Amino acid sequence: KAGVTQTPRYLIKTRGQQVTLSCSPISGHRSVSWYQQTPGQGLQFLFEYFSETQRNKGNFPGRFSGRQFSNSRSEMNVSTLELGDSALYLCASSLTGISSGNTIYFGEGSWLTVV
Amino acid sequence: DQQVKQNSPSLSVQEGRISILNCDYTNSMFDYFLWYKKYPAEGPTFLISISSIKDKNEDGRFTVFLNKSAKHLSLHIVPSQPGDSAVYFCAASHTNTGNQFYFGTGTSLTVIP
Repeated sequence: KAGVTQTPRYLIKTRGQQVTLSCSPISGHRSVSWYQQTPGQGLQFLFEYFSETQRNKGNFPGRFSGRQFSNSRSEMNVSTLELGDSALYLCASSLTGISSGNTIYFGEGSWLTVV
Repeated sequence: DQQVKQNSPSLSVQEGRISILNCDYTNSMFDYFLWYKKYPAEGPTFLISISSIKDKNEDGRFTVFLNKSAKHLSLHIVPSQPGDSAVYFCAASHTNTGNQFYFGTGTSLTVIP
């Protein structure tokens, strides 16, 4: 069974540009969530989608957005990139929309560098 | 506001001994906890979970203990192996917030052969 697939794995962008990251969840999983990891900060929750609806959003500015398609694939977009957006962006998928008793499985992440 | 804390950034243990990684949380609503292992340049890999209705869960060499009154959980690895060297994250959630998990900042474990 294929795992969570994220593309691209590495990318470099310039300040002010925008970026779109893609995530294909494990087959059959309907929940996709996104996390940002920066050095020393652990993983910070960005947002979660379930059945094409955003259910939760973390404490990030509106420049960070996402969506989920009918096949559960998800994209996240960051507009007007800032140097501080340089991070590892992780996508996680899970079978159900309820955390209790549920496990989220991560992809390998997309490394974004903003110069 | 860091609701999940891992106060030890690093830990070194001899091969064959026990590794104990600690995690504290502040939100009493948290009812489900996970531990992940992460190697450099890879995504986190799920290790073990525990629900708040239990105080212990075992899976092979890994055991997680939960002390709800102290808002503390720990991961025990016995015996430790060099391949266990990685960064370990604990994560917590509560039923009302879907799949939103709160992560600690991680503990880097080094197992010395």
